[in-house]
Amino acid sequence: GAVVSQHPSWVICKSGTSVKIECRSLDFQATTMFWYRQFPKQSLMLMATSNEGSKATYEQGVEKDKFLINHASLTLSTLTVTSAHPEDSSFYICSARELAGEVNIQYFGAGTRLSVL
Amino acid sequence: GQNIDQPTEMTATEGAIVQINCTYQTSGFNGLFWYQQHAGEAPTFLSYNVLDGLEEKGRFSSFLSRSKGYSYLLLKELQMKDSASYLCAVTDSNYQLIWGAGTKLIIKP
Repeated sequence: GAVVSQHPSWVICKSGTSVKIECRSLDFQATTMFWYRQFPKQSLMLMATSNEGSKATYEQGVEKDKFLINHASLTLSTLTVTSAHPEDSSFYICSARELAGEVNIQYFGAGTRLSVL
Repeated sequence: GQNIDQPTEMTATEGAIVQINCTYQTSGFNGLFWYQQHAGEAPTFLSYNVLDGLEEKGRFSSFLSRSKGYSYLLLKELQMKDSASYLCAVTDSNYQLIWGAGTKLIIKP
């Protein structure tokens, strides 16, 4: 299957700082990427849909000014958690959608574990 | 509303067979996916069904009945490494992926 690279895999930061997470599709072009958040023992929660060359679409309850998404190219999307606080500590996972005919399969990055002190 | 149901947790024995069911009610249908997620890791793609019937891939098979809004993932010859959560997801008419809460599968020796 297609490969999605996500960096960093683990981040520890102080409260009030900003953290940038990168998501790259390595062997295919992804016009659409997705950002998820997952708290321990809970299901995936879609935060936003990132479309190349346009503004991201945020899910209800997700602050767009806090979680900045940039999808500047067909292989790269970034999520910046601005002014992070301890309640933002979570597992952030990106996925990229590969189009294969009429099939749209989402392939996931390895995830980024964010700990805000 | 859109809804995907799957059991919260299942237990099976190493070497046995287990079937994880998924029922869905969505606005349109453009395919059903199964993903595997080990604890602390991101999901990995297992299978995709868009037509009725059984898709076999090694020890794993996935079945779909669109008229019943039903799918199952069948795991044969269970191994300890199969202990994970199994996520059912459906693509609706807008090609949005709707996720189930996942089924935690516990394999016992």
